[in-house]
Amino acid sequence: KAGVTQTPRYLIKTRGQQVTLSCSPISGHRSVSWYQQTPGQGLQFLFEYFSETQRNKGNFPGRFSGRQFSNSRSEMNVSTLELGDSALYLCASSLVAGPTDTQYFGPGTRLTVL
Amino acid sequence: ILNVEQSPQSLHVQEGDSTNFTCSFPSSNFYALHWYRWETAKSPEALFVMTLNGDEKKKGRISATLNTKEGYSYLYIKGSQPEDSATYLCAFNRGGGNKLTFGTGTQLKVEL
Repeated sequence: KAGVTQTPRYLIKTRGQQVTLSCSPISGHRSVSWYQQTPGQGLQFLFEYFSETQRNKGNFPGRFSGRQFSNSRSEMNVSTLELGDSALYLCASSLVAGPTDTQYFGPGTRLTVL
Repeated sequence: ILNVEQSPQSLHVQEGDSTNFTCSFPSSNFYALHWYRWETAKSPEALFVMTLNGDEKKKGRISATLNTKEGYSYLYIKGSQPEDSATYLCAFNRGGGNKLTFGTGTQLKVEL
C-alpha cells in the first residue's frame, strides 16, 4: 500500500504570496490532519478533515485554510505569506478520526519564505 | 494551555546501552498517548498508541508504559543500536478527533 504523499516537497516563495500544498492519504483513509513544524515550536496542529468537513482547527491565523475533497485528498493554503511561515508542513492520514487511530505521516513540504 | 513535556531533550548513549525517556501530559481528559520515532529526512513513524492506565506495549527492543492517573509515559529501548538514533516524540489526544498535541521530543544518538 502506498504511503501518504505530499507535493511539492520543496517550495520557495516571497512575502505576500500565497501557496497551496497538497496531501494524498493512504488509500481508504478518510481523515487528514495537517501540522506545522518549526525549530522553536515543534509540531503544531493546524487542522483536521474528515469526510470533507473540518473537524478541528489549531491556533493559527485565518491566513491558513484547508479543504478536503471527496476522494479524501486534502490541500492547505496559506495566503499573504510571512517570513515566520517558513516551516516543514506535514500531513497525516488515518482510517477514521478517533483519538486512538494511528496517524501515518507523509514526508512533508518544506516551505521557505524569503 | 495543554502542555506535553518530554525529557531529556537529548541523549547520547553507547551501542548496547539501555535507555529510557519520559513524556508528561495532563492527566485530565485523557484519551490516548501516541509515540513516534522521527529519523532525519524521513516521515515520523508511529510506534505505539496507548489508551489504558497501566498499558504496556512492546515492539522489538522498544517498549512503553502508561500512567494516566499521574500523567506520564515512559519509552524504553533495550540494547540501543545506531539505527535507533532518531527523535522520539510523544503526542497527547484529549478526544474529539485526531488532534495531537506533541512534545518537543527527545533526540537520541547511539554511538558505536
